[in-house]
Amino acid sequence: AQKVTQAQTEISVVEKEDVTLDCVYETRDTTYYLFWYKQPPSGELVFLIRRNSFDEQNEISGRYSWNFQKSTSSFNFTITASQVVDSAVYFCALNSQDSSYKLIFGSGTRLLVRP
Amino acid sequence: DTGVSQDPRHKITKRGQNVTFRCDPISEHNRLYWYRQTLGQGPEFLTYFQNEAQLEKSRLLSDRFSAERPKGSFSTLEIQRTEQGDSAMYLCASGSAGTGGRWVTGELFFGEGSRLTVL
Repeated sequence: AQKVTQAQTEISVVEKEDVTLDCVYETRDTTYYLFWYKQPPSGELVFLIRRNSFDEQNEISGRYSWNFQKSTSSFNFTITASQVVDSAVYFCALNSQDSSYKLIFGSGTRLLVRP
Repeated sequence: DTGVSQDPRHKITKRGQNVTFRCDPISEHNRLYWYRQTLGQGPEFLTYFQNEAQLEKSRLLSDRFSAERPKGSFSTLEIQRTEQGDSAMYLCASGSAGTGGRWVTGELFFGEGSRLTVL
């Protein structure tokens, strides 16, 4: 069975602080994909990144960076110099061919960035 | 707007009533998924369609739930005899899958959801 764990329920930081959201996953598939989605108060899930299991290169996009470590089954997400607009719930998710490519989500981490 | 749209955005109903939600996916997408999200939880898979065929249903989808996607375009999710435990956000997502079901688009595009409150 596949599983995604986001142990941090809620994180509160002051603006301009760096923050890392943790994600640990479980799967028996050799080929799989990892995702991060952002859910602002409006409710829509906004896609941030997709990573396949063969690509362990870290990725940086502006203030966002992702650290994929297969050895620890983790796919952590770091926001540098956080801003109030980053306040949202962030979900890590996993899919694979064995799961019919349906997304398996973690329970989410609520990030509050205070001015 | 060429994104995924859902209607209605909010629905308040009394226990025992039937409700129906509609999802209009991105037009060129052949895959359509329904998810349910309760407060403080991540979305949970309910069912998905490849074109008009419903290929998988979760155990969460009781007999009171039915989903359709006639002609492979829009989809409806109906809940009969609603219960208070059905209160949740119902999310629709679409994507494009190629041979073997692998996604072509690389992601699912989500709508803003339909929030159901059962009194």
